[in-house]
Amino acid sequence: EVQLVESGGGLVQPGGSLRLSCAASGFIFSSYWMSWVRQAPGKGLEWVANMKQDGSEKYYVDSVKGRFTISRDNAKNSLYLQMNSLRAEDTAVYYCARASSSSWWNWGQGTLVTVSS
Amino acid sequence: SYELTQPPSVSVSPGQTASITCSGDELGDKYACWYQQKSGQSPVLVIYHGTKRPSGIPERFSGSTSGNTATLTISGTQAMDEADYYCQAWDSSTGVFGGGTKLTVL
Repeated sequence: EVQLVESGGGLVQPGGSLRLSCAASGFIFSSYWMSWVRQAPGKGLEWVANMKQDGSEKYYVDSVKGRFTISRDNAKNSLYLQMNSLRAEDTAVYYCARASSSSWWNWGQGTLVTVSS
Repeated sequence: SYELTQPPSVSVSPGQTASITCSGDELGDKYACWYQQKSGQSPVLVIYHGTKRPSGIPERFSGSTSGNTATLTISGTQAMDEADYYCQAWDSSTGVFGGGTKLTVL
């Protein structure tokens, strides 16, 4: 059974940093693109970042470029999102998702990030 | 930037057919997919590559594409289908979601 478990969310002040982690199991992690998708409270889904299997390609939504960094450790079956210079508008539930055939087939339960003073 | 447009809400009576549209430039060429998100839960993929249904998704869910529009159709809608539905596509390696459609089964 595929499992994706996010962690690392919490309350952070504007301008602060946070690192999210996603522990994957039940599939060959190194064979799949992985993504972060977020959802602000009461709002719709927003793709945040993607990373290729070997880390050679990374893509970001414009609003986080230069502030967020996606990374992965295939030996640890883990995906990460380093978030710097956080803003109030980054407040959201952040989901880790496994990609295949241009779709996200599995999602974690999400971790809440709240940016507030 | 690329945009996908969905109606904010759709209502349907139990047992009837619900159709949710998603429009975007050349969407028919972009392998649109659909996600269902019930209140307080993570999204679930219900249609991929425009028309394909993952295993475990009921046959009453179907997808179609034509030109600039993708459509999610739920035949014989059940109360358990009440949820938010999001279309999604890729544009130049950028993921784009529609704004979401709240399906109400009354």
